[in-house]
Amino acid sequence: AQTVTQSQPEMSVQEAETVTLSCTYDTSESDYYLFWYKQPPSRQMILVIRQEAYKQQNATENRFSVNFQKAAKSFSLKISDSQLGDAAMYFCAYRGVLGSYQLTFGKGTKLSVIP
Amino acid sequence: EAGVTQFPSHSVIEKGQTVTLRCDPISGHDNLYWYRRVMGKEIKFLLHFVKESKQDESGMPNNRFLAERTGGTYSTLKVQPAELEDSGVYFCASSQGTGGAYISYNEQFFGPGTRLTVL
Repeated sequence: AQTVTQSQPEMSVQEAETVTLSCTYDTSESDYYLFWYKQPPSRQMILVIRQEAYKQQNATENRFSVNFQKAAKSFSLKISDSQLGDAAMYFCAYRGVLGSYQLTFGKGTKLSVIP
Repeated sequence: EAGVTQFPSHSVIEKGQTVTLRCDPISGHDNLYWYRRVMGKEIKFLLHFVKESKQDESGMPNNRFLAERTGGTYSTLKVQPAELEDSGVYFCASSQGTGGAYISYNEQFFGPGTRLTVL
């Protein structure tokens, strides 16, 4: 079974600085998707960024980028130029490509942004 | 376009009572999912509907949970009778399309969740 581990329950960052959230996963599959979801306080979870395992290039979406290390099964999220609106719970998630659509989530990292 | 909606946003019930949660997916989305997050734990998959059919219910914890999606539109998740360990946030998500054996990228859009507290 696949597992996703987020080892940082809480993180904080100064506004305008850069922060990296860690995520590791375990799978025996060779092809899969990885995701970072953001859940602001009292709001719904939204997709921040995704990575296809077969792509070597790291995904980037504006100020959000990932460092995908397939051999190490590591998938960290870097947030550059942090803004107050980035404060949220961040969930790392895994999904295989065969059989099931289900997402496997980590426990989440609560990110605080300090003005 | 409206996103995924869930009702109620909060529910507080006594142990042994029944609660029904409702999810309205994004219009046109054939896939509907239920997830649950117990306090401090991971968000866990419960089940997946394709239209009105249960595609995968491997995450349903026990037979006190009953999910339905009549007509392939909205879905309900009934907990009967509720136990203390059922407390948590129940998320619904929906996505477009149906895949074959190989599942291509298919973003799941989440609702705001229903916070269930069983006393």
